[in-house]
Amino acid sequence: DQQVKQNSPSLSVQEGRISILNCDYTNSMFDYFLWYKKYPAEGPTFLISISSIKDKNEDGRFTVFLNKSAKHLSLHIVPSQPGDSAVYFCAAAAGGGSQGNLIFGKGTKLSVKP
Amino acid sequence: EAGVAQSPRYKIIEKRQSVAFWCNPISGHATLYWYQQILGQGPKLLIQFQNNGVVDDSQLPKDRFSAERLKGVDSTLKIQPAKLEDSAVYLCASSKTGTEDEKLFFGSGTQLSVL
Repeated sequence: DQQVKQNSPSLSVQEGRISILNCDYTNSMFDYFLWYKKYPAEGPTFLISISSIKDKNEDGRFTVFLNKSAKHLSLHIVPSQPGDSAVYFCAAAAGGGSQGNLIFGKGTKLSVKP
Repeated sequence: EAGVAQSPRYKIIEKRQSVAFWCNPISGHATLYWYQQILGQGPKLLIQFQNNGVVDDSQLPKDRFSAERLKGVDSTLKIQPAKLEDSAVYLCASSKTGTEDEKLFFGSGTQLSVL
């Protein structure tokens, strides 16, 4: 039973355009959400996070939106650059002070074409 | 600042053999995690250490997997005996204190192939 779902295995976007990566979750106890980015042969690296008390968090070209009623979050990348091509993982934590209990989605492979 | 170090990068073994992975977290990080990432899946937590104590090992297959973090610094993960379904990338991560709003730093992982 997948608690964090990324239903699009891949996404292709033109350079300069907006990339929108989606994530749905089922566990209403999740209160902290993170996005990690992974290049081939490397470990995931932290990108951006959002607490459930917010509905938006922005960091440069990256913005994460959270819709708690729909149990949905999305990552927007504007403008997209070829270096953004990677696998993006959505992850969620259910509190209790331990981030290690992260539940990851299967990932979405983003390809940004020049 | 040096990142999380893992070795080996790749390992190929036959089923029923044993294998061990090593991880050295970022200096000063109290919390260390081992994740298993099967091809096409997201990382799944196997075990979490806080210093040299185990915080969560609920998803560790304890009949064949073991892990230790002696002296609260580096850690080893062992599989004995290995099964075909253990083929995966084993990722080590660390964080300063392990609280929810703290990001994890991942190593590059060890890719295990069990034949």
